[in-house]
Amino acid sequence: GNSVTQMEGPVTLSEEAFLTINCTYTATGYPSLFWYVQYPGEGLQLLLKATKADDKGSNKGFEATYRKETTSFHLEKGSVQVSDSAVYFCALSTYSSASKIIFGSGTRLSIRP
Amino acid sequence: DAGVIQSPRHEVTEMGQEVTLRCKPISGHNSLFWYRQTMMRGLELLIYFNNNVPIDDSGMPEDRFSAKMPNASFSTLKIQPSEPRDSAVYFCASSSSDSGGSFNEQFFGPGTRLTVL
Repeated sequence: GNSVTQMEGPVTLSEEAFLTINCTYTATGYPSLFWYVQYPGEGLQLLLKATKADDKGSNKGFEATYRKETTSFHLEKGSVQVSDSAVYFCALSTYSSASKIIFGSGTRLSIRP
Repeated sequence: DAGVIQSPRHEVTEMGQEVTLRCKPISGHNSLFWYRQTMMRGLELLIYFNNNVPIDDSGMPEDRFSAKMPNASFSTLKIQPSEPRDSAVYFCASSSSDSGGSFNEQFFGPGTRLTVL
């Protein structure tokens, strides 16, 4: 079946540090891949997405590249800010279930000033 | 657009009571999802609807949980009777799914924090 595995948190970094949150997936066919972010007290919101191999999604300084050969979609940011503190979810959707999204377990990120 | 609207935002009730959570999706969206989020189990999909029809309810934990979508602009999630282990944040999300099967972003509501004493 389809699944997403992401690194466990919490992840604690200092401001301006480099961020990587690992994500790998298992899927039949060619999934679309996403990162969602959940700020404290809010619902999830789409951060970025990639719909085919080698695509790079980017938003708010975050990037992730769809790597079919390693079935990965790692999230990166060159210089994190305190305002990036949130829970980050890797997710996928397949053509056969386009409405439904499979979410990873989430990674809590805390940034120290 | 007001986004996905959920009510109430907070609910505290006693074990055995009936709880009804409400959701108004974004106008024009034809898919609606109910999720539950806890520290122990993370984010779980309970049920989702396409064009007001339940498509997959395999995530509904047991018969105490039921969901309806009587029209395109309203859905309810009911728990009867409620138990302390139902305490969680319940999210509603909506999306617009085209017939081509391509992904459409899910928009989440702010959630309902349920506490069952």
